[in-house]
Amino acid sequence: KNQVEQSPQSLIILEGKNCTLQCNYTVSPFSNLRWYKQDTGRGPVSLTIMTFSENTKSNGRYTATLDADTKQSSLHITASQLSDSASYICVVSRNQAGTALIFGKGTTLSVSS
Amino acid sequence: DVKVTQSSRYLVKRTGEKVFLECVQDMDHENMFWYRQDPGLGLRLIYFSYDVKMKEKGDIPEGYSVSREKKERFSLILESASTNQTSMYLCASSLVGVEAFFGQGTRLTVV
Repeated sequence: KNQVEQSPQSLIILEGKNCTLQCNYTVSPFSNLRWYKQDTGRGPVSLTIMTFSENTKSNGRYTATLDADTKQSSLHITASQLSDSASYICVVSRNQAGTALIFGKGTTLSVSS
Repeated sequence: DVKVTQSSRYLVKRTGEKVFLECVQDMDHENMFWYRQDPGLGLRLIYFSYDVKMKEKGDIPEGYSVSREKKERFSLILESASTNQTSMYLCASSLVGVEAFFGQGTRLTVV
């Protein structure tokens, strides 16, 4: 069964600290993996998209890694800010067209001052 | 910047009403999608369209239909709204091989 599992389900950290969110997937075939940030009550916004051959991709303070052998990805947030409080969703695409997406249920991050 | 615009942020409808959710994108994307998002379930695909007048069922199409008469517009129709269709509805669009861009969402409540 095609699945994307994210951990932890929720996380609370202090402003300025780093954190890492995990994504494990059992999806076949695999085309690419995406991380989205979703603020409460808003639509998701893309952070990164990685194909099979990419190990690391950064977007400002966000760095995603992908290990296609172990089928794991992580999203590392450096020097967290209050505005990082959101849900982070890992998504695996089964085709290049992007019409077969498998969504994780997300990790809810709360950054407190 | 890509813009995906959903016609309403909040909507309250009565059981049995026919409901139209509209989505417009301004970047000439081939693909358009309708998802619903419920707590603990994540995003689930209702329908998608890869071209004008073309549509494909997603994971949960029951109770919904869609229309794509123009490339930039994708409509989701609830033929007879029910309380279990109370949810956040998200529209998205994409080019082939590129990440999807989402609208701001429509929070639909059916009473």
